[in-house]
Amino acid sequence: AQTVTQSQPEMSVQEAETVTLSCTYDTSESDYYLFWYKQPPSRQMILVIRQEAYKQQNATENRFSVNFQKAAKSFSLKISDSQLGDAAMYFCAYITSYDKVIFGPGTSLSVIP
Amino acid sequence: ETGVTQSPTHLIKTRGQQVTLRCSSQSGHNTVSWYQQALGQGPQFIFQYYREEENGRGNFPPRFSGLQFPNYSSELNVNALELDDSALYLCASSLTGAYVTQYFGPGTRLTVL
Repeated sequence: AQTVTQSQPEMSVQEAETVTLSCTYDTSESDYYLFWYKQPPSRQMILVIRQEAYKQQNATENRFSVNFQKAAKSFSLKISDSQLGDAAMYFCAYITSYDKVIFGPGTSLSVIP
Repeated sequence: ETGVTQSPTHLIKTRGQQVTLRCSSQSGHNTVSWYQQALGQGPQFIFQYYREEENGRGNFPPRFSGLQFPNYSSELNVNALELDDSALYLCASSLTGAYVTQYFGPGTRLTVL
């Protein structure tokens, strides 16, 4: 079965600090892409960062970076210098070759001023 | 460049009724995917449309159906509504191809009473 697990239902971080959100996944495919999406209260699902499974180098987008461990099927998101606007639900997901995105259950991130 | 739009924003229906949700894809995108997001959960794939034909389906009954039009916009139809159909329905557009990034609309919140 293709699944995504996010073991932290809720996380909190002090403003300007760093937080890491965990994600593990299970797929039998060798080629796939991984994503982190952010969903603020406005409900709009926003792409945060994308990682190609065949690339060993971890993706980085400004304050957001990932730690991709393909053998362990682990894909964590690190947010540096956390800002109030980072507060949201964060979903880990991957896309199969059939273009179906498999989402995890989400982690609710709170940012404390 | 216009993003993905969905209408209506909110909808209230009673059990047994039928509903139609609409989605306009992002400019240049020819593939539309629909997802159901129950409260507190990650989105679940319903189906995808490409070239006006269904191109993959998740574990949803036939009373969930869709259409895609020549301008790539799409409709999601749900017949014989059940209480468990209450959810946020997300539309995502993309270019066709393997492992492409999907861009999401703001969703339609459906409440079934």
